[in-house]
Amino acid sequence: QQPVQSPQAVILREGEDAVINCSSSKALYSVHWYRQKHGEAPVFLMILLKGGEQKGHEKISASFNEKKQQSSLYLTASQLSYSGTYFCGTRGHPGTYKYIFGTGTRLKVLA
Amino acid sequence: NAGVTQTPKFQVLKTGQSMTLQCAQDMNHEYMSWYRQDPGMGLRLIHYSVGAGITDQGEVPNGYNVSRSTTEDFPLRLLSAAPSQTSVYFCASSYSGGGQETQYFGPGTRLLVL
Repeated sequence: QQPVQSPQAVILREGEDAVINCSSSKALYSVHWYRQKHGEAPVFLMILLKGGEQKGHEKISASFNEKKQQSSLYLTASQLSYSGTYFCGTRGHPGTYKYIFGTGTRLKVLA
Repeated sequence: NAGVTQTPKFQVLKTGQSMTLQCAQDMNHEYMSWYRQDPGMGLRLIHYSVGAGITDQGEVPNGYNVSRSTTEDFPLRLLSAAPSQTSVYFCASSYSGGGQETQYFGPGTRLLVL
């Protein structure tokens, strides 16, 4: 089953913050986050492998709670370039390479 | 490095026709995969491979075949195209472990089946 992302869509002004959540009904080994702009391929943002691990990439960071089977992506001081659709990609255990992607969150940043 | 390349960029097929979508990578990645993305939807895994000669099914494998004879190439074959296979197809590759699983996506092939 597909991980569920929330919210489905969000509109921000430049400089505002946002949180995107990814929840799975199955146990997770790793979570990847991607951003896709319209008409383009998804671009990798970060991977989280351990429970409770948090990573950062410029003003974008993420956390992973493997016990709750959830990951959250934090966008701080958003920029126009952050606009796009964000997907989480999940992997159930280290022995499988079946990546299951979430439902997606559309983010629009306005000037 | 060219990264992940896909051909063709766009294709129109008639119902029942067959075709092969090409995917190649020059990063010596063990893992390669094919996804389809329907309008407003996420990515769904069709088939994947963890090395030459090793392939497995993803979420939506019906109607598609794959083979992996070399590390670089991972073609996707549509056996008998159906309108339900109209979609954008992405190929991706990555290392297969050790935390280096960044998936690099190709530019996509837009397929229209009439």
